[in-house]
Amino acid sequence: AQSVTQPDIHITVSEGASLELRCNYSYGATPYLFWYVQSPGQGLQLLLKYFSGDTLVQGIKGFEAEFKRSQSSFNLRKPSVHWSDAAEYFCAVGARAGGTSYGKLTFGQGTILTVHP
Amino acid sequence: DAGITQSPRHKVTETGTPVTLRCHQTENHRYMYWYRQDPGHGLRLIHYSYGVKDTDKGEVSDGYSVSRSKTEDFLLTLESATSSQTSVYFCAISGTFSSTDTQYFGPGTRLTVL
Repeated sequence: AQSVTQPDIHITVSEGASLELRCNYSYGATPYLFWYVQSPGQGLQLLLKYFSGDTLVQGIKGFEAEFKRSQSSFNLRKPSVHWSDAAEYFCAVGARAGGTSYGKLTFGQGTILTVHP
Repeated sequence: DAGITQSPRHKVTETGTPVTLRCHQTENHRYMYWYRQDPGHGLRLIHYSYGVKDTDKGEVSDGYSVSRSKTEDFLLTLESATSSQTSVYFCAISGTFSSTDTQYFGPGTRLTVL
């Protein structure tokens, strides 16, 4: 079965600093990978996704993520954080066709980002 | 933003009472999902629907039932609420049942069972 681990429950950065949120997955093949963001009191919004091809994926709001097969990781990065980026971030994995988990997403535990002025 | 509404947005109830949460979409998407969100667990799939009257279980379906009588509405029912069902519940929709298709999420319902 697929699984996702986000090792950092809470991260605090200063506004303008760079950011990296970690995501490790467990899956038998190359999975589909997603990052979602949840602002306080709101639903989840898709930031970016990886299916195949270029391992560096660009998303909305200036975020990017890099798929590293050798490390089973899909870390989210942003070069300069804004106060409005404070939110909870979820990494998710989707199974490829042929398995019982196809079409369903498995989410990590989430990382809460606090931004100091 | 996808047209997804959830009602109620907040609810406090007592153990043993029935509770129904509603998800309504205006996107005419075929697939609908119910998740619960708990600290330290992320989002976990409760049930999903792949068409009117067609539903299936997710990973944490015990204690929950669902119904879908119209494309636009997906109901989640707790027949007899327990304190362990205190959570934030999210509805999601997608156009296809594919891991490559984006799931769009509603604003959530915060349920407290006393």
